Amino acid sequence: DIVMTQTPLSSPVTLGQPASISCRSSQNLVHSDGNTYLSWLQQRPGQPPRLLIYKISNRFSGVPDRFSGSGAGTDFTLKISRVEAEDVGVYYCMQATQFPPTFGRGTKVEIK
Amino acid sequence: EVQLVESGGGLVQPGGSLRLSCAASGFPFSSSSMHWVRQAPGKGLVWVSHIDSDGSSTLYADSVRDRFTVSRDNAKNTLYLQVDSLRAEDTAMYYCARYYNGAPDYWGQGTLVTVSS
Repeated sequence: DIVMTQTPLSSPVTLGQPASISCRSSQNLVHSDGNTYLSWLQQRPGQPPRLLIYKISNRFSGVPDRFSGSGAGTDFTLKISRVEAEDVGVYYCMQATQFPPTFGRGTKVEIK
Repeated sequence: EVQLVESGGGLVQPGGSLRLSCAASGFPFSSSSMHWVRQAPGKGLVWVSHIDSDGSSTLYADSVRDRFTVSRDNAKNTLYLQVDSLRAEDTAMYYCARYYNGAPDYWGQGTLVTVSS
């Protein structure tokens, strides 16, 4: 199985400041169809997960543009340009390039 | 509006069974692949199972293969997960999610399965 390693596991941030989460995969995530199936999900406290980004950098419907994704191959990053109070929660990267789909352990974003 | 509503969870003894359901609305269910993902209390997300749009292809995590069975009724817009031979380590919130563009884009609120004697 592909192992997804997220860093940091916890990220205390100041409101209005940027935040960045890294995700590294144990294998290259480029699929044979040319796509890279790397997604980012947000889980607010007590809520189900919510898709933020798919295929590395595509924002899902309704996701604010302060969220952006980048990367290639085995190294990926989620950036929040200016953290707002509603961004508190746990963020997961997920790969669906190779069966079985696997998730990172999650990064907890909290306000300082 | 897309909605996914899970039901069927509960408290069950080790070795017991449950049938989880996921009622879908607001999108073309019969042409959508679907996932089940679970989350143990205080832990991260773990993929459980996948079924393609017409139910002809199913996939399972190693930890649940031969004990869980995913199915769907496209006429009823409903996804199912039959969970048998339950173990304490199956205790988790079970989420259904639509799979589109290589990602789980819509999620339900989850149904809690607790395995305990």
